[in-house]
Amino acid sequence: GAGVSQSPSNKVTEKGKDVELRCDPISGHTALYWYRQRLGQGLEFLIYFQGNSAPDKSGLPSDRFSAERTGESVSTLTIQRTQQEDSAVYLCASTRQVNTEAFFGQGTRLTVV
Amino acid sequence: GESVGLHLPTLSVQEGDNSIINCAYSNSASDYFIWYKQESGKGPQFIIDIRSNMDKRQGQRVTVLLNKTVKHLSLQIAATQPGDSAVYFCAENRPSGSARQLTFGSGTQLTVLP
Repeated sequence: GAGVSQSPSNKVTEKGKDVELRCDPISGHTALYWYRQRLGQGLEFLIYFQGNSAPDKSGLPSDRFSAERTGESVSTLTIQRTQQEDSAVYLCASTRQVNTEAFFGQGTRLTVV
Repeated sequence: GESVGLHLPTLSVQEGDNSIINCAYSNSASDYFIWYKQESGKGPQFIIDIRSNMDKRQGQRVTVLLNKTVKHLSLQIAATQPGDSAVYFCAENRPSGSARQLTFGSGTQLTVLP
């Protein structure tokens, strides 16, 4: 596609429910990143994919968070048993290769009520 | 004026003045740096990048300076315009084992005053 696409753009869920966030990177981009951004704060690294492998999962906040990538394309970030502190904007970015510009999607705004 | 640090400070400048936004990065092995602009409700947008073998790079109205000795990065915006109002983030491509982790600072809120 022309840019990084994320869906849904907004998600409101009840505490304790599972949610799945989707990222479609730019075609041909080998690297994919997930970040969390709380209101008024910076970007918190969650996980990074090179191809379909995740060499760095160090940023995942807890075992309720998981992510996968298939076909060196779409990635899903799953949050199980959501908590109110999970409320944030979740941003996805992709890069053609290491040490090149990362392109961001518009994010998914998650609200846990 | 200028701001320093990784916490989200606010920088206010008069329209037409130059802006300087500063960032301290953490890893001396980081070899690639990017400045991003984020407007309200949008994802970050690329402004300019610089590799560690350079100390200065210029774009249209923007200049990035890299001081590896003190691990400091700055973004200079010439003739600041109202459309420049946004949060600005620096990012470093930090080695993480065999991978790279694109790590962001906390950002600086730039407000352009009429």
